[in-house]
Amino acid sequence: NAGVTQTPKFQVLKTGQSMTLQCAQDMNHEYMSWYRQDPGMGLRLIHYSVGAGITDQGEVPNGYNVSRSTTEDFPLRLLSAAPSQTSVYFCASSSPGQGIPEAFFGQGTRLTVV
Amino acid sequence: AQSVSQHNHHVILSEAASLELGCNYSYGGTVNLFWYVQYPGQHLQLLLKYFSGDPLVKGIKGFEAEFIKSKFSFNLRKPSVQWSDTAEYFCAVTSSGTYKYIFGTGTRLKVLA
Repeated sequence: NAGVTQTPKFQVLKTGQSMTLQCAQDMNHEYMSWYRQDPGMGLRLIHYSVGAGITDQGEVPNGYNVSRSTTEDFPLRLLSAAPSQTSVYFCASSSPGQGIPEAFFGQGTRLTVV
Repeated sequence: AQSVSQHNHHVILSEAASLELGCNYSYGGTVNLFWYVQYPGQHLQLLLKYFSGDPLVKGIKGFEAEFIKSKFSFNLRKPSVQWSDTAEYFCAVTSSGTYKYIFGTGTRLKVLA
């Protein structure tokens, strides 16, 4: 059981470039989310989804897009990278409907924008 | 709005010392409470969780936490820390019936051998 898989693990982008961070889970969890982790700020919610076809904004959504075409996948798109988006990104999934509200996290993607 | 406060940002302890990390949340309704641990270079892993029932919950690796509803607190404790407990610890809360987690800013624990 792989759990939550994120790719890539590391990425360096130039300002203005776009890219997609991938997230996949094999636990049939309905809820998926993206966080960014910055020193001294904990984890902040970027976007989340409560099921296929349903997404919503979190605390810091600007500069990011998401879509949820399947239960398994929840990619995060950076439209035009900025140095302020240098961070560690975590994808998480959970399934409150199955009595599993705790979040399961991926290994993270360390993104540097130069 | 919901919020979670972790007042200790950095904690340094010697091995075998006792640990208590504070966590307070602001929300008036029914909540689910969590402590996660992040070892250096790794992802977050669940230490323990509280949904209902006995307010003293036990987690992995000898950690426990006590939910005190009147104080809106969910402090993490361990009687005797080990060098391998060096990590960052996050408190998180969700309100029952919602999916959104609110995390505290984290506490970096360093245990000296």
